Amino acid sequence: QKEVEQDPGPLSVPEGAIVSLNCTYSNSAFQYFMWYRQYSRKGPELLMYTYSSGNKEDGRFTAQVDKSSKYISLFIRDSQPSDSATYLCAMSDGGATNKLIFGTGTLLAVQP
Amino acid sequence: NAGVMQNPRHLVRRRGQEARLRCSPMKGHSHVYWYRQLPEEGLKFMVYLQKENIIDESGMPKERFSAEFPKEGPSILRIQQVVRGDSAAYFCASSPTSSYNSPLHFGNGTRLTVT
Repeated sequence: QKEVEQDPGPLSVPEGAIVSLNCTYSNSAFQYFMWYRQYSRKGPELLMYTYSSGNKEDGRFTAQVDKSSKYISLFIRDSQPSDSATYLCAMSDGGATNKLIFGTGTLLAVQP
Repeated sequence: NAGVMQNPRHLVRRRGQEARLRCSPMKGHSHVYWYRQLPEEGLKFMVYLQKENIIDESGMPKERFSAEFPKEGPSILRIQQVVRGDSAAYFCASSPTSSYNSPLHFGNGTRLTVT
């Protein structure tokens, strides 16, 4: 079993839709959770960063963490064609090296 | 991705040759991480370095791969005697510290193709 599981998609939605992206994990030591966005042929860029359980909102993006279920989500409201990218969840146990464990990524296409 | 510079962007090597990938971290960042991304797979941690020191190389293959981050100049990931299975995108990330609240900033990667 992989430490982090993520549905690879692809996920296709119409412009304006609410998008839900999810990851599950098995390591209960993970405490820090991130979402990265990666456009084709580019490096990942950090979207959201959360610690422990709870919600965090930033503009059209909301990140949720449920540590009891080992489940994290990213919601995108009013999705735009420019949101079309691969979304990667990543997590860390907060150890000395700040090493991240990534999901495989979900490919999202927002249709105009 | 602004600030972390990787070169070359694309690298083609024949089997048995050496590949050298370079990474200049963001200004003020002294912590460098290398990740590899294979098709259909997520980013896999390879190695974490601070200036002149390898801190964690638990993700590095035992043979043919090495990394350095000298006092002056970029970090280098070296792959000797490349094989087709080494074809992948290699990403470098940097941060100012190794603290949990110091997110990693990634470069745009080097895409290695082994023919």
